[in-house]
Amino acid sequence: QKEVEQNSGPLSVPEGAIASLNCTYSDRGSQSFFWYRQYSGKSPELIMSIYSNGDKEDGRFTAQLNKASQYVSLLIRDSQPSDSATYLCAVNEGGGTSYGKLTFGQGTILTVHP
Amino acid sequence: KAGVTQTPRYLIKTRGQQVTLSCSPISGHRSVSWYQQTPGQGLQFLFEYFSETQRNKGNFPGRFSGRQFSNSRSEMNVSTLELGDSALYLCASNEGDTQYFGPGTRLTVL
Repeated sequence: QKEVEQNSGPLSVPEGAIASLNCTYSDRGSQSFFWYRQYSGKSPELIMSIYSNGDKEDGRFTAQLNKASQYVSLLIRDSQPSDSATYLCAVNEGGGTSYGKLTFGQGTILTVHP
Repeated sequence: KAGVTQTPRYLIKTRGQQVTLSCSPISGHRSVSWYQQTPGQGLQFLFEYFSETQRNKGNFPGRFSGRQFSNSRSEMNVSTLELGDSALYLCASNEGDTQYFGPGTRLTVL
C-alpha cells in the first residue's frame, strides 16, 4: 500500500511566523508532488506543485522536495490568520497505473492566531 | 476561464437508493478524476476518465461507477446506497497530472 504521511498536527503558529508542514511518501518512483489548501466546508485548492529536488518559491509559500529522503515540505512565511486551513500533501506515483490519481496524506490542520 | 462545476451541491438519500452526480471540467480539459472524502479515510481515489474511457480505478466496490461524455462532462453513480457512502464527492479537472477540484457534492445517506 503506497502511503503519504503528514505531520499529524494540529499546528498552531502566531501571526507573522513561519509555518512548516511536512510530508513523507513511500513510493520511491513518485514523480509529482502537490500541496493543496482546504478551508472547512470547501474543496481543496491547489497551492503549489513541485517536480524536481530543491526549493520552489511562490510568494509567501516555498515547497521543498528531497527525493532521496522521500520528503516534501511546505513553508509559509509571514503566516496570516487567513492561512488557517487544512493542508494536504498529494503525490502522483507516475507510470501507467497512476492516470488521474493522486494519493493524499491525511492533512495537517494549521491555525494562525493573531 | 470557468472553473469546475459539480451538481448537485447537496443531496440527501436513503439507504438502498441510487444517486448520480455530475461534473463539468474546465474547458479544454479531457481528463476527469473522482474522489470520495470522509473524515476517517480522507481523500480516496475513485476513478479517472479520459476521452470517454476509464483509464484508472481505485479500490471501491462495483456499486460505484462512472462515465464520461464526448464533451468531457462526467457522471458518477452510486447504486444501493449505504450509510457509509455519506461523504463529500469531489471531481477534479486534470491538466497533465495537475488537478483542479470542483466545489464537491455533499451526499448524506439516511
